[in-house]
Amino acid sequence: AQKVTQAQTEISVVEKEDVTLDCVYETRDTTYYLFWYKQPPSGELVFLIRRNSFDEQNEISGRYSWNFQKSTSSFNFTITASQVVDSAVYFCALFMDSSYKLIFGSGTRLLVRP
Amino acid sequence: DAGVIQSPRHEVTEMGQEVTLRCKPISGHDYLFWYRQTMMRGLELLIYFNNNVPIDDSGMPEDRFSAKMPNASFSTLKIQPSEPRDSAVYFCASSRDRDSYEQYFGPGTRLTVT
Repeated sequence: AQKVTQAQTEISVVEKEDVTLDCVYETRDTTYYLFWYKQPPSGELVFLIRRNSFDEQNEISGRYSWNFQKSTSSFNFTITASQVVDSAVYFCALFMDSSYKLIFGSGTRLLVRP
Repeated sequence: DAGVIQSPRHEVTEMGQEVTLRCKPISGHDYLFWYRQTMMRGLELLIYFNNNVPIDDSGMPEDRFSAKMPNASFSTLKIQPSEPRDSAVYFCASSRDRDSYEQYFGPGTRLTVT
């Protein structure tokens, strides 16, 4: 079975705090891709990052960083020095090459308070 | 470049009426996806097309739902007859080719069926 679990339903932090959003996935496929999308209050879905199952290197992009660990089937997302504009719902998603389907987690709502 | 375009952005209709949602994918993208987002079920894939051909419609909830892609730049999702439980945000997304994997989402259509 393919599944994405985002156990944190909602997180509230004060501006400038660091925050980590957890994502755990399940798949039997050996080739798969992991994604993070951001859904701000305006409603659109914004692509943030893609990682493939063969590349466990962590990635940093500005204040954003991602930690991919196959051993624990996790793909966590950290925002450093959070800002109010980071307030949004963040979705982790799993894409299986075998089925060409994107499976979304239930999302984590992040609220960054001034 | 223009992103994925969806129309209308908001639709309010009465139960029993036919509803047609429209999508224009990013030019040059071979894949088009329709998703539905609800509080109860989250983001779920309804159907996807490759080069205008429906590939997987296993997520289409009922026969009341149908989708077409008459050409590379236009797709419709039709609900006939609509029911209150169809109220949701419907997203269209596109991706470039078989090896691209990133899906770029439109702004969504918020459908309310009264």
